[in-house]
Amino acid sequence: DTGVSQDPRHKITKRGQNVTFRCDPISEHNRLYWYRQTLGQGPEFLTYFQNEAQLEKSRLLSDRFSAERPKGSFSTLEIQRTEQGDSAMYLCASSIGLAGGSGANVLTFGAGSRLTVL
Amino acid sequence: ILNVEQSPQSLHVQEGDSTNFTCSFPSSNFYALHWYRWETAKSPEALFVMTLNGDEKKKGRISATLNTKEGYSYLYIKGSQPEDSATYLCASSPDGTYKYIFGTGTRLKVLA
Repeated sequence: DTGVSQDPRHKITKRGQNVTFRCDPISEHNRLYWYRQTLGQGPEFLTYFQNEAQLEKSRLLSDRFSAERPKGSFSTLEIQRTEQGDSAMYLCASSIGLAGGSGANVLTFGAGSRLTVL
Repeated sequence: ILNVEQSPQSLHVQEGDSTNFTCSFPSSNFYALHWYRWETAKSPEALFVMTLNGDEKKKGRISATLNTKEGYSYLYIKGSQPEDSATYLCASSPDGTYKYIFGTGTRLKVLA
């Protein structure tokens, strides 16, 4: 297993276009997370999947954002009608779900997909 | 403290110097504190997960301490090397939630 893979690594698009990012987690990890990092900020939580179920979606995600994880394997994050404010690094992470609280789960991150909206 | 705060924002040290950074987090509802190292163009890499007050963890030349009562953690690097150059992120998980709250990071540059 080569870790968490994200594709594409870089995407430049014009405002109003749709973009899709893909994340392939570590195969035995049942939990998958999307975070976003904008310039000068730390990563911010976007959404979380346990297997194929999307259990939570941050208020940061407008209706233009949608994430899926069909069959509990890879995940996609789609942004429709991109805006310049969507420019950021989109990070995917996965973890094994431990019994009890989730807060001690070690996240394995991908290298991120950097989006630039012109 | 409502958010996770890290200081300093950035620093430059000479090779061989020892250094330390601070992560401050809300002490109420504390569950776990994470440290990650993020080298440019690579994936953030987990360093430590700490859950107990007074916890101290070590990985090679890097160590971390945790004070949950006052809401801070220190990360120490002994004898810094150029390969230690990276952004060091801490993240808190209040109430055991999976919604980790990250600080803005400390960007370390070790000069040869």
